[in-house]
Amino acid sequence: KQEVTQIPAALSVPEGENLVLNCSFTDSAIYNLQWFRQDPGKGLTSLLLIQSSQREQTSGRLNASLDKSSGRSTLYIAASQPGDSATFLCAVRPRRGSNYKLTFGKGTLLTVNP
Amino acid sequence: DAGVIQSPRHEVTEMGQEVTLRCKPISGHDYLFWYRQTMMRGLELLIYFNNNVPIDDSGMPEDRFSAKMPNASFSTLKIQPSEPRDSAVYFCASTPRTSGGVNEQFFGPGTRLTVL
Repeated sequence: KQEVTQIPAALSVPEGENLVLNCSFTDSAIYNLQWFRQDPGKGLTSLLLIQSSQREQTSGRLNASLDKSSGRSTLYIAASQPGDSATFLCAVRPRRGSNYKLTFGKGTLLTVNP
Repeated sequence: DAGVIQSPRHEVTEMGQEVTLRCKPISGHDYLFWYRQTMMRGLELLIYFNNNVPIDDSGMPEDRFSAKMPNASFSTLKIQPSEPRDSAVYFCASTPRTSGGVNEQFFGPGTRLTVL
């Protein structure tokens, strides 16, 4: 059974700092990995999706990397801003067949202080 | 497109009552997912549909939960009878079937259910 772990559970940083969020998964047979952002009381917004054949994806100040063999992904946020404060979740999709069942980590709660 | 639409946004009910949650996926998306989010268990997939047909309902916790998708633009998740432990935020998501297999999931705003 796939298990996804995110460390740390919470992180507080001053504005302007670069930071890294970690995601690990136990079964490396994945199809893709997706990073989401969730604001309090809101739904999830997709940030980046990395296919299993890719090593990284970038969008603005965000960069996500994937090391499938070691079961790890990182989300790098450059020059953090107070507006980045949210919960960040990663989710993996299994490779088996056309299974679309995502397994989520419990997220990292990020607070960026002005 | 307005995105995935869910209703109601908040629902407060008493134990034993029937609860129906509704979802309208993004037009043209072939897949629809129902998730439940709690502090203890995080985000869990309950069931998903492909072209209105249930594909995997292994996450549905028990027979009190049922989901239907009568057409491509509407789905319901019903709990009957509801119990306090069903209190959670329920999300609906949809994704298109695209060539190359890139299937980014788009989430609705969720329904916060409180069962007293």
